[in-house]
Amino acid sequence: DVKVTQSSRYLVKRTGEKVFLECVQDMDHENMFWYRQDPGLGLRLIYFSYDVKMKEKGDIPEGYSVSREKKERFSLILESASTNQTSMYLCASSTSGNGNTIYFGEGSWLTVV
Amino acid sequence: QKEVEQDPGPLSVPEGAIVSLNCTYSNSAFQYFMWYRQYSRKGPELLMYTYSSGNKEDGRFTAQVDKSSKYISLFIRDSQPSDSATYLCAMRGSGATNKLIFGTGTLLAVQP
Repeated sequence: DVKVTQSSRYLVKRTGEKVFLECVQDMDHENMFWYRQDPGLGLRLIYFSYDVKMKEKGDIPEGYSVSREKKERFSLILESASTNQTSMYLCASSTSGNGNTIYFGEGSWLTVV
Repeated sequence: QKEVEQDPGPLSVPEGAIVSLNCTYSNSAFQYFMWYRQYSRKGPELLMYTYSSGNKEDGRFTAQVDKSSKYISLFIRDSQPSDSATYLCAMRGSGATNKLIFGTGTLLAVQP
């Protein structure tokens, strides 16, 4: 089975703090993604990566950055956390190619106070 | 207009009922259609995957795609309390760089 692991399930951070969310996948997938999920808004893509050191902006990249130094690891960084970034963050991975499907981690619940 | 529309519910049914969950979409280029199930405070898990039009069955679950109407459905037979979750439809076009577009999810509660 595909395993996508998000190291932090629940975090509480203060406004202005730098926040790192880590994600590791064990299936040698080329693609990795960061989404946030909010009630009524569904899943929104923040950033994705097709390869090591490659990144592409998703639909809502403002206030976020990412890092992919190794194929299996994709980090989401909030440079200066704000209360409107309180959300559930989901990491996902997939193979490349037409028929790929996305596999999600368990999610990281971030509260910014 | 959103590319994918999904009724948010909540949908409440008695145990044993047949459940019908639906999504409509506007982009005729979508070729791959998925249903994810998401339990409370968990990540979505892939439930069904179909390519183009037609039906696919897996146990109590049947996924239907009608590309002419731009409409997809997930049917759950003999629903169980353990089916209580949010169900997300998702779809994408062909090509490796096409993004997966999600519906907002339908919350289902199966009452024992």
